[in-house]
Amino acid sequence: GAVVSQHPSRVICKSGTSVKIECRSLDFQATTMFWYRQFPKQSLMLMATSNEGSKATYEQGVEKDKFLINHASLTLSTLTVTSAHPEDSSFYICSARAQTSGDLYEQYFGPGTRLTVT
Amino acid sequence: GQNIDQPTEMTATEGAIVQINCTYQTSGFNGLFWYQQHAGEAPTFLSYNVLDGLEEKGRFSSFLSRSKGYSYLLLKELQMKDSASYLCAALDSNYQLIWGAGTKLIIKP
Repeated sequence: GAVVSQHPSRVICKSGTSVKIECRSLDFQATTMFWYRQFPKQSLMLMATSNEGSKATYEQGVEKDKFLINHASLTLSTLTVTSAHPEDSSFYICSARAQTSGDLYEQYFGPGTRLTVT
Repeated sequence: GQNIDQPTEMTATEGAIVQINCTYQTSGFNGLFWYQQHAGEAPTFLSYNVLDGLEEKGRFSSFLSRSKGYSYLLLKELQMKDSASYLCAALDSNYQLIWGAGTKLIIKP
């Protein structure tokens, strides 16, 4: 099956610093990758959709200058949380949609990154 | 607006059957997904329905009625490991997933 990896799985950083999270599709090409945030006991909240080679589309209320997304290749997307604050502490999950028509609508999720900002 | 409704929490007994309902209202519709999510982990795919009817996969089955905007996930022969949150998500006309808040399923011995 399709596998998506995320790195790091956990990160603790100090307030004001930046953190980069990588999302990779390991055995398929992903034209579209999604970044979600999930606070405890809440559902997934879509932050942005990124298509390879173009700018990400951010959901309403998500600051694009704070959450920088780069989707430079068909297998890698990165999310950088800039000038992180304690309220940015959350579980960040990426997912990837495969390029092949048979998997056009299914999203494969990475294992998530637990970010704690102190 | 777009909306997905599912119960917040359900409790069931090991070995029993449980049905988790989901109703949706979306701008266009291109199918409905069910995902399982254990605490602290990412969601894993369970099922996808785009046509009316029941799809069976082992202990798990998923049903869709497009005319009613309704789906359910049926779990049989419940095991303790089935304790998790179950997320319903509808694919809208832009092929964007609209997520429900999830149903936390508690299995008791």
